[in-house]
Amino acid sequence: GAVVSQHPSWVICKSGTSVKIECRSLDFQATTMFWYRQFPKQSLMLMATSNEGSKATYEQGVEKDKFLINHASLTLSTLTVTSAHPEDSSFYICSARDRVSNQPQHFGDGTRLSIL
Amino acid sequence: GEDVEQSLFLSVREGDSSVINCTYTDSSSTYLYWYKQEPGAGLQLLTYIFSNMDMKQDQRLTVLLNKKDKHLSLRIADTQTGDSAIYFCAERAGNTGKLIFGQGTTLQVKP
Repeated sequence: GAVVSQHPSWVICKSGTSVKIECRSLDFQATTMFWYRQFPKQSLMLMATSNEGSKATYEQGVEKDKFLINHASLTLSTLTVTSAHPEDSSFYICSARDRVSNQPQHFGDGTRLSIL
Repeated sequence: GEDVEQSLFLSVREGDSSVINCTYTDSSSTYLYWYKQEPGAGLQLLTYIFSNMDMKQDQRLTVLLNKKDKHLSLRIADTQTGDSAIYFCAERAGNTGKLIFGQGTTLQVKP
């Protein structure tokens, strides 16, 4: 089946550090990838839609300069949390949609980000 | 606007059937999905149904869609302890193609 790999799975870093999270579609090409944030015991909140070769579309209230998204190829999108602070600590999950079938979204295993 | 609602908790005994319910508001939804999330993990796609279908069965899973009432359900037959997880219902919004998630239903399976 379709596999999405997300790396790293867990990162702990100091406040002020920038952290990059990778999302790869392993056996399909994805023109569209999505980045979500999930707080404990809550649902997923869509942060942005990443489109290959173009700028990401951010949801209302999500800071573009804080959460930089790059989708340089059909199999890779990255989310960089710049100058991370403790309030950015969360579970970040990416998903990808197969460009051929155009659905459904397949999810990575998530990245737990802890900022000290 | 688009909204998806689920009950928050369901407890069943091992071997019983589980039914998780979901309601949505977007009548232009094209697809509806069920995802499973285990602790600390991402979302696993369980099954999905196209909006012009009433039912879909896949092994122990049965999805029922009542489009008139905008009601979706997931039935898990012969529920096992390994089925304990959070189950998310999601609709694909007709106008944007984005997924709109419910709050998630925690399924607890007692031995």
